[in-house]
Amino acid sequence: GAVVSQHPSWVICKSGTSVKIECRSLDFQATTMFWYRQFPKQSLMLMATSNEGSKATYEQGVEKDKFLINHASLTLSTLTVTSAHPEDSSFYICSATGTSALLYEQYFGPGTRLTVT
Amino acid sequence: RKEVEQDPGPFNVPEGATVAFNCTYSNSASQSFFWYRQDCRKEPKLLMSVYSSGNEDGRFTAQLNRASQYISLLIRDSKLSDSATYLCVVRGFQKLVFGTGTRLLVSP
Repeated sequence: GAVVSQHPSWVICKSGTSVKIECRSLDFQATTMFWYRQFPKQSLMLMATSNEGSKATYEQGVEKDKFLINHASLTLSTLTVTSAHPEDSSFYICSATGTSALLYEQYFGPGTRLTVT
Repeated sequence: RKEVEQDPGPFNVPEGATVAFNCTYSNSASQSFFWYRQDCRKEPKLLMSVYSSGNEDGRFTAQLNRASQYISLLIRDSKLSDSATYLCVVRGFQKLVFGTGTRLLVSP
C-alpha cells in the first residue's frame, strides 16, 4: 500500500514553455503533498507544501508564480513549471502523507526528470 | 550552516565490511529522525527511523544522540546491493529536511 505515482517520468521541453507534472496517491487519500527538487549531487530541497483544497505554502526563495501548484483532490497534485529555463532542469519529486496511521510518514513518487533546452 | 550535515563520501568498502555514517543536525526542536536510501536517479526510500534508544534492523543499526544532535547509521556485512546514497533526514513541524547524502560503494 501507500503508492505514489508521478507523470511524466521524464520530459524535455524548450526554454519558455510550460511543463505540468502530476503526482497521484494511488491507494490512499493524500491530505498533504510535498514537492521537492534535487539538483545533481545535492540534497532534496522542499519547494512547497500543499494541502488539499488550499493554497500551497512555498519555501523561501521559491517563486510561486513560476511553480504553480494545484491540489484539487485528495489523490492528485500538480506542479506546473511556467516559462521554463535551462536552470529549471532538475529532478522533481513529490511525496504524500495521508490520514491516521500514515500521518507521519511521507511516501515518495518516483520523480520526474525535467530537461529544459 | 546547513540544517543537516553529512560527509558526502564516497565511502569505498569491500563486501563484508562494516561501515558507519554520521550526521549532525542544527535544529534542536527536530522531532523525528530517519535514514533514507537513494539509488541513482531514483526517489529516496525509507531505510529506517532512528530512536533515542537506538534501533536495529537486520544488518543496519541506527543511533540518535539528542544532546549532541548527532545521528549515526552502521551497516554490517556490507553487500554489493548496499551501494547507494544514504540520506540523513530530520523532521521538524511536518517538513522533512534532507542531508546531501553519503555515497557508499561496495566492491567485490
